[in-house]
Amino acid sequence: GDSVTQMEGPVTLSEEAFLTINCTYTATGYPSLFWYVQYPGEGLQLLLKATKADDKGSNKGFEATYRKETTSFHLEKGSVQVSDSAVYFCALTPFSGGYNKLIFGAGTRLAVHP
Amino acid sequence: GAVVSQHPSWVICKSGTSVKIECRSLDFQATTMFWYRQFPKQSLMLMATSNEGSKATYEQGVEKDKFLINHASLTLSTLTVTSAHPEDSSFYICSAIPTSPEIDNEQFFGPGTRLTVL
Repeated sequence: GDSVTQMEGPVTLSEEAFLTINCTYTATGYPSLFWYVQYPGEGLQLLLKATKADDKGSNKGFEATYRKETTSFHLEKGSVQVSDSAVYFCALTPFSGGYNKLIFGAGTRLAVHP
Repeated sequence: GAVVSQHPSWVICKSGTSVKIECRSLDFQATTMFWYRQFPKQSLMLMATSNEGSKATYEQGVEKDKFLINHASLTLSTLTVTSAHPEDSSFYICSAIPTSPEIDNEQFFGPGTRLTVL
């Protein structure tokens, strides 16, 4: 079945460091891909998404490119801030377009220190 | 906008009792809500899809008589864990899709409810 695998955390970085959180997926057809972020005490929020191959999602300095050839959707940010400390979830929906159930990775906790 | 709340945020109960968790969309109407379960350091697993005015659709392996879902209005869905046992201890998260099409069917998540069964 469809699945998402993301790197284990926690990831600990100093402020202004470069961030990469790896995410790979297994899916039939053409899934839509998402990154969600969960700040302490809050619900998951959509960070960015991409609905087809080679699409790049971006938001708040974060980027991820839908790579069909490597079935990956790695999250990157050039310079992290303390306020980026959160848990990041990679996810997919099995069909492109419309809503469908979300399949999540295990989540990666990011801690950014001053 | 698009805020989802859950109540309670945490609950401790004795084995054999039932616990009800509420999921509310505060500033929008939601025909469809989802219930997820999350174990420590693991993914969110979809339990069921809750549709206003109709029966919930449960994922394979989820006991519908164990996890009762009621979506009685466009802003409220409830999950009742019946005859709870320690293995039901988990973090339960709901999400809602606004009925309005302008928000492109994005799911908005509640903050979760931590259930501990003694």
